[in-house]
Amino acid sequence: DQQVKQNSPSLSVQEGRISILNCDYTNSMFDYFLWYKKYPAEGPTFLISISSIKDKNEDGRFTVFLNKSAKHLSLHIVPSQPGDSAVYFCAASGGGGADGLTFGKGTHLIIQP
Amino acid sequence: EAGVVQSPRYKIIEKKQPVAFWCNPISGHNTLYWYRQNLGQGPELLIRYENEEAVDDSQLPKDRFSAERLKGVDSTLKIQPAELGDSAVYLCASSSQGPVVGIQYFGAGTRLSVL
Repeated sequence: DQQVKQNSPSLSVQEGRISILNCDYTNSMFDYFLWYKKYPAEGPTFLISISSIKDKNEDGRFTVFLNKSAKHLSLHIVPSQPGDSAVYFCAASGGGGADGLTFGKGTHLIIQP
Repeated sequence: EAGVVQSPRYKIIEKKQPVAFWCNPISGHNTLYWYRQNLGQGPELLIRYENEEAVDDSQLPKDRFSAERLKGVDSTLKIQPAELGDSAVYLCASSSQGPVVGIQYFGAGTRLSVL
């Protein structure tokens, strides 16, 4: 049973608009959440994270929102740029972030000019 | 600062052959992880080390997979014998116990093809 779900395999967004990537989780023990970005033939690159004690974290164009009651998080990218085209993975961890990560299947974001 | 280094980048072997992957984590990172990523899936944890101790190997198929982290720095993941279903990308990651716990930094991975 998948504990971290990204239900949209792909998402197409026009350059300059907002990209919203969604992620749901089922394990109540998860207390740390991360987003990774992956280009072909490269390893995942850390993007942004959020602890379960917060509901929002912002870093430049990237904002992650956490809704613990709904077990849902989302990544907002504003404005979207061509270089943002990549596969985005949602990941979750327990133990305050010290445990191994449980990943979703990823969402392929395509930014169209 | 150098990132996580993995070698080789690509490996093609025939089934039943042994194979080994090597990982050098970021300097000072005492936690090291091995993940396997199948096509179209997210990475899945195989094993986690704290220094030289394997603290979580519950997902490691121990009949054919083994790992070691001598001196708490470099690590090697071995498969013997390899099966067709082992074709995947094997990723190594490391993290520190510093102020920002939980962020794992990944290497570029080793893509294994078993024929």
